[in-house]
Amino acid sequence: GAVVSQHPSWVICKSGTSVKIECRSLDFQATTMFWYRQFPKQSLMLMATSNEGSKATYEQGVEKDKFLINHASLTLSTLTVTSAHPEDSSFYICSASQGNREKLFFGSGTQLSVL
Amino acid sequence: RKEVEQDPGPFNVPEGATVAFNCTYSNSASQSFFWYRQDCRKEPKLLMSVYSSGNEDGRFTAQLNRASQYISLLIRDSKLSDSATYLCALNSGGSNYKLTFGKGTLLTVNP
Repeated sequence: GAVVSQHPSWVICKSGTSVKIECRSLDFQATTMFWYRQFPKQSLMLMATSNEGSKATYEQGVEKDKFLINHASLTLSTLTVTSAHPEDSSFYICSASQGNREKLFFGSGTQLSVL
Repeated sequence: RKEVEQDPGPFNVPEGATVAFNCTYSNSASQSFFWYRQDCRKEPKLLMSVYSSGNEDGRFTAQLNRASQYISLLIRDSKLSDSATYLCALNSGGSNYKLTFGKGTLLTVNP
């Protein structure tokens, strides 16, 4: 089956630094990727929709200048958390859709801890 | 009203019990519905899609009631390995399969 690789799995960083998370579709071309954030005991909240070759579409309340998304190729999308603060500590998960098939494939997630 | 509302749980049940989860949704235009299972600090895994006619996969049965705008998941003969968080999700249409998730219900199956 389709595989989405996400890394790093976890990262600990100091407040004020930037963190980049990569999401790769390994065996299919993902024209659309999604980035979710999940706080403890909360649901997955969609942050943005990433479309290859165009600007990402951000959900209401998500700062586009803080969460930079780049989808430069059909197999790679990156999320950069700029100037991270402790309140950005969360579980970030990407997912990708495989063309016109109604199924999403999830990355394994990245646990971000900002000190 | 939230787009998706889910039983808060948590549910603690003995092995062999039958347990049911429900979600209600507010957008009548929602087209596709799913149940996901998520283990702690892992990605969600698709358990099953939900259809109006109802569908069953082994011990798991999912149903959709469009008139009342809710979906359900029934687990029969629960196993210890069923312990996880169960999330409902829906796609409100469009071609990009953007999913909205419920908050999730934690299930613990006890020996």
